[in-house]
Amino acid sequence: DAGVTQSPTHLIKTRGQQVTLRCSPKSGHDTVSWYQQALGQGPQFIFQYYEEEERQRGNFPDRFSGHQFPNYSSELNVNALLLGDSALYLCASSYRDSEETQYFGPGTRLLVL
Amino acid sequence: AQTVTQSQPEMSVQEAETVTLSCTYDTSENNYYLFWYKQPPSRQMILVIRQEAYKQQNATENRFSVNFQKAAKSFSLKISDSQLGDTAMYFCAFMKPPGGGADGLTFGKGTHLIIQP
Repeated sequence: DAGVTQSPTHLIKTRGQQVTLRCSPKSGHDTVSWYQQALGQGPQFIFQYYEEEERQRGNFPDRFSGHQFPNYSSELNVNALLLGDSALYLCASSYRDSEETQYFGPGTRLLVL
Repeated sequence: AQTVTQSQPEMSVQEAETVTLSCTYDTSENNYYLFWYKQPPSRQMILVIRQEAYKQQNATENRFSVNFQKAAKSFSLKISDSQLGDTAMYFCAFMKPPGGGADGLTFGKGTHLIIQP
């Protein structure tokens, strides 16, 4: 049973660039949530996708956008990168009838120079 | 908005000892979920245990158990017979019920637990 997978594992970008991170949910899951974890902090909720629509959103600017595909996989896009966007980006998947139980992927480490 | 507070940035115990990690939270909700997640150096966030607020019985998963005090808004994690593999960051997290305007998991800042051989 494949767990949550994310790509790439590491990424280096420069300020002002755009980045796309990818996530494949655990088999049987239809809901994907994204979190940002700054160094030394707990993860912060960015948004959640279900049925290819953004269902909930945390306190993040519009530079952060996402997409969910018919196979339930998801992308996180960040435009106009800032130094402060450097963080570990975590994807979590869940099933709509049990969406409180989220399973996390290994994350993508983004460094913005 | 909900807040989760973990007041112990770091703890260190000897292997086989019992350790308790503290967590308090603030919410006006009556029904919600609480979680403990473990994040080892590999970075993968692993669900350790979950508690539903409407259940009075404390959750238990093998060596892991919680002490849930709803009135005090306290949710501590007890690890019995600690093992070297328990060394990790431990995060306490809160979630409102799905469909009730839930906005994902709210995490504390974490406690770094070190198990010494």
